Amino acid sequence: AQTVTQSQPEMSVQEAETVTLSCTYDTSESDYYLFWYKQPPSRQMILVIRQEAYKQQNATENRFSVNFQKAAKSFSLKISDSQLGDAAMYFCAYRSAWSGGSNYKLTFGKGTLLTVNP
Amino acid sequence: GAGVSQSPRYKVAKRGQDVALRCDPISGHVSLFWYQQALGQGPEFLTYFQNEAQLDKSGLPSDRFFAERPEGSVSTLKIQRTQQEDSAVYLCASSITSGRETQYFGPGTRLLVL
Repeated sequence: AQTVTQSQPEMSVQEAETVTLSCTYDTSESDYYLFWYKQPPSRQMILVIRQEAYKQQNATENRFSVNFQKAAKSFSLKISDSQLGDAAMYFCAYRSAWSGGSNYKLTFGKGTLLTVNP
Repeated sequence: GAGVSQSPRYKVAKRGQDVALRCDPISGHVSLFWYQQALGQGPEFLTYFQNEAQLDKSGLPSDRFFAERPEGSVSTLKIQRTQQEDSAVYLCASSITSGRETQYFGPGTRLLVL
């Protein structure tokens, strides 16, 4: 079974600074997807960014980018120019791409609570 | 358009009561998921529907949990004889076609069993 580990329960960053959230995962599969989701206090989970394992290039969405290290099974999220609205719980998630398996099921880490200080 | 909605947003139940949690997916979305999020944890998969067919219920913790989606749109998660360990946030998500597409989450129902 796949597991996702987020080793930082809490992180804080000053407004306008950069912060990196860590995620490692364990899988025996070669093809999969990785995600970062944001969950503000309102609890609506929002997709931040997605990475396909077969793609070498790291995904980027505006101020959000990832550092995907497939061999190390590491998938960190970098938030640049942090804003007050970035404060939330961030979850790393894994999904298999194998057509014969549960390739619809998201496996989440425990989350990292990000605080943004003005 | 409207996102995924869930009701009620909060539910307090006495131990032993039955509860029903409702999910309205995004209109036209074929796939629907239920996840359970315990306090301080990430969401954990409970069950998956494609239209009205329940294709995977492997995550349901016990036979007290039952989910249905009879007409392929609205879904209900029912918990019978609730216990304190059922206290959690129950999240519903939907995706447009297969479960391999992006899952859009609702705000969740926070269940507290006393």
